Amino acid sequence: EDQVTQSPEALRLQEGESSSLNCSYTVSGLRGLFWYRQDPGKGPEFLFTLYSAGEEKEKERLKATLTKKESFLHITAPKPEDSATYLCAVRNDYKLSFGAGTTVTVRA
Amino acid sequence: DGGITQSPKYLFRKEGQNVTLSCEQNLNHDAMYWYRQDPGQGLRLIYYSQIVNDFQKGDIAEGYSVSREKKESFPLTVTSAQKNPTAFYLCASRPNGILNSPLHFGNGTRLTVT
Repeated sequence: EDQVTQSPEALRLQEGESSSLNCSYTVSGLRGLFWYRQDPGKGPEFLFTLYSAGEEKEKERLKATLTKKESFLHITAPKPEDSATYLCAVRNDYKLSFGAGTTVTVRA
Repeated sequence: DGGITQSPKYLFRKEGQNVTLSCEQNLNHDAMYWYRQDPGQGLRLIYYSQIVNDFQKGDIAEGYSVSREKKESFPLTVTSAQKNPTAFYLCASRPNGILNSPLHFGNGTRLTVT
């Protein structure tokens, strides 16, 4: 059965303190790994899709990387507006499976 | 602006009552989905529809029902048979035919059943 595990569950950062979030997965036939950002009381907002090991995508202070077993979301010099829950999801031929998310809080 | 509209944002019901959550999209997407989100858990798929007048059960369909009479609309009914209906419900859509296109989500409906 496909599994997606995100760690840590929660992350508290000082403004400017860079860190990484982890998404470990087991899936038969990966068709894509997705990162989403979710603000409290809102729906998830799409950030990145990664397809193959070694691929990297960047958007502002966020950079996503992918290996054969995990993906990392690096947050460089975060600002308070980067506070959110970050969700990871993997797709095989049949379905999309989500992790429980990492809640990031950035203090000024 | 194109997007997905879920209404209402908050919904309160007494146990034993059925309730219908609305989801409307103007993105011209073929596929629509309903997910449930609970604290500490990943999103779980309730139902999905790839085309008008057709829909499939997801992983946790028991106690729920849907219809897809129009491309733009995919309402979800939470029936009294759902044992633990209090949750945050998310509707999503994506276009068919575009490989690995991401899901677009609405802003959810928080249902509280007492």
